[in-house]
Amino acid sequence: DTGVSQDPRHKITKRGQNVTFRCDPISEHNRLYWYRQTLGQGPEFLTYFQNEAQLEKSRLLSDRFSAERPKGSFSTLEIQRTEQGDSAMYLCASSSWRGLAESYEQYFGPGTRLTVT
Amino acid sequence: AQSVAQPEDQVNVAEGNPLTVKCTYSVSGNPYLFWYVQYPNRGLQFLLKYITGDNLVKGSYGFEAEFNKSQTSFHLKKPSALVSDSALYFCAVRDGNAGNMLTFGGGTRLMVKP
Repeated sequence: DTGVSQDPRHKITKRGQNVTFRCDPISEHNRLYWYRQTLGQGPEFLTYFQNEAQLEKSRLLSDRFSAERPKGSFSTLEIQRTEQGDSAMYLCASSSWRGLAESYEQYFGPGTRLTVT
Repeated sequence: AQSVAQPEDQVNVAEGNPLTVKCTYSVSGNPYLFWYVQYPNRGLQFLLKYITGDNLVKGSYGFEAEFNKSQTSFHLKKPSALVSDSALYFCAVRDGNAGNMLTFGGGTRLMVKP
């Protein structure tokens, strides 16, 4: 059972550029989450998918951010026109939900560290 | 709205001594509570959860936590600390009546000295 994987692990970009991150959840998990973690802080929720449907979005997810999960498997998070304030660790997590059977805990990937210069 | 407070930025304990990392929460509905640990350059690892039932829950690596509804607390404990337990610990809450997002505390750094 492989864990959640994220690619790339590190990304350095210049302000104003677009970046895209990928997350592959644990294979049998149908729920996928994106969080952002800045230095010295706990992760903050960004958005959540159940299968291919995006069901929750945080106010933190500005218009420059978009997430997709087109086939209900992997997900991408795109940031357009990056700003220095976007520098953070972007974490992906997954969990399983099957009607009344839910695993509750979310399993996290290693994260993608974004640095905007 | 839901929130988590971890009042200690750092906890220092000697190896072999018991440890406690504190967490209090606020949530409108039923609290689902979690502890995660983060080692340097690694993702968050799930330790344990409270959903319902027995207030004392046991998790990985000998850790346990006690849910106290009246004090809205979910403190993490271990009877005998190991140097390898040194890491960053996060408490998280989810409102069991609404949504699936986790709200995390700011984290507590645990330092276990030999």
